[in-house]
This record gives sequence, structure tokens and C-alpha cells, in this order.
Amino acid sequence: GQNIDQPTEMTATEGAIVQINCTYQTSGFNGLFWYQQHAGEAPTFLSYNVLDGLEEKGRFSSFLSRSKGYSYLLLKELQMKDSASYLCAVMDSNYQLIWGAGTKLIIKP
Amino acid sequence: DTAVSQTPKYLVTQMGNDKSIKCEQNLGHDTMYWYKQDSKKFLKIMFSYNNKELIINETVPNRFSPKSPDKAHLNLHINSLELGDSAVYFCASSQGLADSSYEQYFGPGTRLTVT
Repeated sequence: GQNIDQPTEMTATEGAIVQINCTYQTSGFNGLFWYQQHAGEAPTFLSYNVLDGLEEKGRFSSFLSRSKGYSYLLLKELQMKDSASYLCAVMDSNYQLIWGAGTKLIIKP
Repeated sequence: DTAVSQTPKYLVTQMGNDKSIKCEQNLGHDTMYWYKQDSKKFLKIMFSYNNKELIINETVPNRFSPKSPDKAHLNLHINSLELGDSAVYFCASSQGLADSSYEQYFGPGTRLTVT
């Protein structure tokens, strides 16, 4: 079966750096997405990786290793507004997105 | 200016009823989706509709039926509602399926509660 694993919850301090990991096993691979979802709101797109390596976008970076079935989202200079769930999703060979359950990130002052 | 809109935002109804959720996107996208997010926060694809071609997820009960009057609208009709249908339903759209990099834009969600 298809599987996306990410930690359920993480806690970090305002101003610090946090890394959220995601491992996946899917039938085929056509890219990996990270989305942010604030409580009670819709997911919003953060990043997309299809080749190995690091993609940097402001305070957020996303890394992919296809051979290891592994990705991480790196958040720098954490702000209170970064408190949210972070969803990892992989596009399979049928171009359908398979979603992880999300990692709830709690930022403390 | 809302890119993807859904109505209603909240829906409370009794078991056995039939209800519809409407979705509209003004992004000119070719592909639209319906997702179900349960209490454990898993997002599960229910349907995707690409240029009038419906792609059905076989795990979805046939009580759920999508209807697309045109490319900008994808409505979800649910017959004989059950307690287990309680969840948040998200509509989403993307430019298409041809390029895997196309991000999906989500509507605000419809919180369905079946009593």
C-alpha cells in the first residue's frame, strides 16, 4: 500500500529552527509537496520537489532524497504565526496526491 | 476575489438526508477535486475531474456523486447521509494533470455534521 509518515506533533521556540521529516512509500513518484494548514482553515501550498536536493524559499526550505523516500521541511527564524499543521503529500504514478496526516507544529515564545 | 469558494461553510443534518455542497473556482483551472478530511486530519481524495473526465476513487461509496455543470464548478451530492460522513470536505483546483508541479488551491472547506 501507499504510505506517508511524518511526526504527529513537534514543539519549537520562537526564533529557532525546526525540521519536519517525511518518509514515503508510494506506487510511483511524480513529485512531493508541502502544505501548511492553520487550524480550521484550508491547506495552502508551500513547496514542491521533484528532483533530489534542497529548494529554498525565504524562511522555508524543502529537501528531497528520492532514493531514500525522504523529505524534510526546514523552517528558520520561527514566528508565532508558523504554528500550524504541515502536510507532506506525494504525487503517485496516477498523478494523484497521497497525503500524510500532518505534523502539528507548536511554537512557544 | 476568492479563488476557490464553497458553500455552505457549515452543514448540520440528520442521518438519511440528502445534501449538496457547491464549489466554484475563478482561476481558469482545468482540474477540480473533492477531498474528505476526517477527525484524524487525513486528507483523502474522493474525486478529481479533469476537462469533463471524472476520475473516481473506488473507495468512495456510490452515495457520493460529483456533478460538474461546467469547468468552473464541481458540486458534491451526498445521498442517505450516515454518521461516518461527518468530516470537513474540501474542494480544490489545479491547472491540470499534465504537469505534476501544478499546486492545488483549496476552498475554505465545508464542515459536515451528521446527527
